[in-house]
Amino acid sequence: GQSLEQPSEVTAVEGAIVQINCTYQTSGFYGLSWYQQHDGGAPTFLSYNALDGLEETGRFSSFLSRSDSYGYLLLQELQMKDSASYFCAVREDKIIFGKGTRLHILP
Amino acid sequence: DVKVTQSSRYLVKRTGEKVFLECVQDMDHENMFWYRQDPGLGLRLIYFSYDVKMKEKGDIPEGYSVSREKKERFSLILESASTNQTSMYLCASSAIGVGYEQYFGPGTRLTVT
Repeated sequence: GQSLEQPSEVTAVEGAIVQINCTYQTSGFYGLSWYQQHDGGAPTFLSYNALDGLEETGRFSSFLSRSDSYGYLLLQELQMKDSASYFCAVREDKIIFGKGTRLHILP
Repeated sequence: DVKVTQSSRYLVKRTGEKVFLECVQDMDHENMFWYRQDPGLGLRLIYFSYDVKMKEKGDIPEGYSVSREKKERFSLILESASTNQTSMYLCASSAIGVGYEQYFGPGTRLTVT
């Protein structure tokens, strides 16, 4: 069956680095996406990895290992505004979302 | 500025009522999606459409139907609303291509009493 696993909650300190992991088991695979959702807001797209390796966009980076069915989102220089939920999503013939990771940031 | 709009932010309906949720996108996107979001369950795909008059079932289509008569508009229909359909409903659209980057609407908080 299809499944995406990510931690339900992660806590980190302002200015630090945090990594949110995602493992997946799906029948097909084209790529792994990450979305951010603030409370009361809509999800917004952060990144997409189709190939193995690290993709960097400013303070955020995303990594994929297709052989390990594993990816992660790396957030650097954490800011209070990064407090949000983060979802990984697998693209097969449709998009399947994980249940989300709530990121708490301490001052 | 790209935009996905949904007809209502909040909606309260009674059990058994027929409910229409409308979604419009102005980006000329081919793909449109309907999700529901519940605490602890993430986003679950209800239906999606790759083209006008096309529809595909997602993971939880039971109790729902959809309509896509025009490229920019995708409607979700609850034929007979039930209390277990109380949820946040999110519409999204995307272009065909690498990444399937989805743009989401603001959501409709539906309460069925």
